Amino acid sequence: GEDVEQSLFLSVREGDSSVINCTYTDSSSTYLYWYKQEPGAGLQLLTYIFSNMDMKQDQRLTVLLNKKDKHLSLRIADTQTGDSAIYFCAEEPGNTGKLIFGQGTTLQVKP
Amino acid sequence: DAMVIQNPRYQVTQFGKPVTLSCSQTLNHNVMYWYQQKSSQAPKLLFHYYDKDFNNEADTPDNFQSRRPNTSFCFLDIRSPGLGDAAMYLCATSKGGISQPQHFGDGTRLSIL
Repeated sequence: GEDVEQSLFLSVREGDSSVINCTYTDSSSTYLYWYKQEPGAGLQLLTYIFSNMDMKQDQRLTVLLNKKDKHLSLRIADTQTGDSAIYFCAEEPGNTGKLIFGQGTTLQVKP
Repeated sequence: DAMVIQNPRYQVTQFGKPVTLSCSQTLNHNVMYWYQQKSSQAPKLLFHYYDKDFNNEADTPDNFQSRRPNTSFCFLDIRSPGLGDAAMYLCATSKGGISQPQHFGDGTRLSIL
């Protein structure tokens, strides 16, 4: 079946690194995505990774993919208060163009 | 500049009174999606258009309909809104084809009185 799971809440101090974890079930997903949602707003595409890659880095963001364990993580270096938001992991089973989202991880950044 | 635009940002309607939400895009993308997102939940896909082809999700209630008169615009019609339909409605677009990222608008928050 299709299921994406994330921890619900993460709290870090400003300047620390944040690591948000996600597990997914569908091994046919070619791409995996991370979206950010600020209060009252839509989803902003942060980054995505192709399933034959182990890691992708984009400025402060690092995505790690363990395909064997179906585990995805998003690391945010030097976390800022502006990074406070809900982060959604999503898989795209069978390259259908349909996204299956996790329930979202609320990141709280304390000054 | 906003590329996926949803209007209005906030919509209030009465129980049972039809309501239409709109989405427009400047990306010339082939695919347009409508999602429903309830408080503290993940977005849930209602349906999508690939060009003019409509694709409904199996568990989308009949109360929800959609129209896509041209490439740029897509509408979500709720024929008889119930209290349970209060949610954020998100529109997204993609180029179509294998694994093209979806780009979201800012959403319309719908309240039912």
